[in-house]
Amino acid sequence: TQLLEQSPQFLSIQEGENLTVYCNSSSVFSSLQWYRQEPGEGPVLLVTVVTGGEVKKLKRLTFQFGDARKDSSLHITAAQPGDTGLYLCAGESNAGNMLTFGGGTRLMVKP
Amino acid sequence: DTEVTQTPKHLVMGMTNKKSLKCEQHMGHRAMYWYKQKAKKPPELMFVYSYEKLSINESVPSRFSPECPNSSLLNLHLHALQPEDSALYLCASSIRQGPTEAFFGQGTRLTVV
Repeated sequence: TQLLEQSPQFLSIQEGENLTVYCNSSSVFSSLQWYRQEPGEGPVLLVTVVTGGEVKKLKRLTFQFGDARKDSSLHITAAQPGDTGLYLCAGESNAGNMLTFGGGTRLMVKP
Repeated sequence: DTEVTQTPKHLVMGMTNKKSLKCEQHMGHRAMYWYKQKAKKPPELMFVYSYEKLSINESVPSRFSPECPNSSLLNLHLHALQPEDSALYLCASSIRQGPTEAFFGQGTRLTVV
């Protein structure tokens, strides 16, 4: 199983601040996905990055895939309380061609 | 319709009970998954069905028994569970098995007493 490490594990910030979440691995991924999960709900897909160096934007969220396709980052500009949740990166597992999740980053944005 | 629907949303069961979790999707996806998620942890894969056949069983205890009656439905039968099995059980589907975009249901919050 390819290991995906996310950092930080927990982040508490004030509304309006910027933040970056990282997803790293020693292995190359064909693609990486980012999900957000709110308490008591299932994860919701935010974006899929496929090409090394790719940058995708979703309103105030910017996703980047590393040139070597081993890492990815999620940058949130001017965070809002509605951004609060668990952010999960996911990529292909070596075993059985499956999706494997990183440990998650729990974000809390205080008003 | 891009929804994955899970029922029930909440379930409390005793260790001697038999219950079933249900999952339904009408997106034409041919891969369906069961995940288990403990508090403050990422989802952990339990089972994968591909074209209605069990493709992956991640060494899940036999007290969990999956079933895929057709391409739209996925069940998880529960029997003789332990309190440590209490968790959020998530169903997901994707166009095909693999590291493709997965659509998740809202989950069933299971408590074993």
